[in-house]
Amino acid sequence: QQQVKQSPQSLIVQKGGISIINCAYENTAFDYFPWYQQFPGKGPALLIAIRPDVSEKKEGRFTISFNKSAKQFSLHIMDSQPGDSATYFCAAKGNTGFQKLVFGTGTRLLVSP
Amino acid sequence: NAGVTQTPKFQVLKTGQSMTLQCAQDMNHEYMSWYRQDPGMGLRLIHYSVGAGITDQGEVPNGYNVSRSTTEDFPLRLLSAAPSQTSVYFCASSSAADTQYFGPGTRLTVL
Repeated sequence: QQQVKQSPQSLIVQKGGISIINCAYENTAFDYFPWYQQFPGKGPALLIAIRPDVSEKKEGRFTISFNKSAKQFSLHIMDSQPGDSATYFCAAKGNTGFQKLVFGTGTRLLVSP
Repeated sequence: NAGVTQTPKFQVLKTGQSMTLQCAQDMNHEYMSWYRQDPGMGLRLIHYSVGAGITDQGEVPNGYNVSRSTTEDFPLRLLSAAPSQTSVYFCASSSAADTQYFGPGTRLTVL
């Protein structure tokens, strides 16, 4: 049973456009929601993360929007660039000690020049 | 600081063979994990460790063994490889601060 559902599976955006990836979770005990970026042949790398005490977090062109009541969170990439072309994973975990990180299935983003 | 290192980068095995995937980290992290990545399925946790001498099963542990004799190393053993274990394997480490740092991965093919 998948605990974090991610959509879309793939996304094509023109350079300069906004890329939006959505995730929904089921477990209300989750309290840490990271997004990972993965380039081909590389391991995932943390891009940005949020905790449910805030509704939005912005780092440069990347923003996480969080809706606790709907149990949804999304990644927005503003002014998308060809260098942003990668696979993006959302994830979630609980709040104490080592809690297992549960990943979404990933979104392959292609930003066309 | 090398971060998380994994060896080998690529491996081809025949069904029934055994092998060990190596993982090491130099960040003095308590927590280490092994994931497998398959198309359309994201990353799934195989085994994890919360410190030297302590390991536990993740979501997909069958066919894999782990041990953690030191803080730095966390090898993953395939006792009798099966084609279903063809995947990309990632090791990760973290402190209590949540951020998991991933290694570059090992691409394994089992024929």
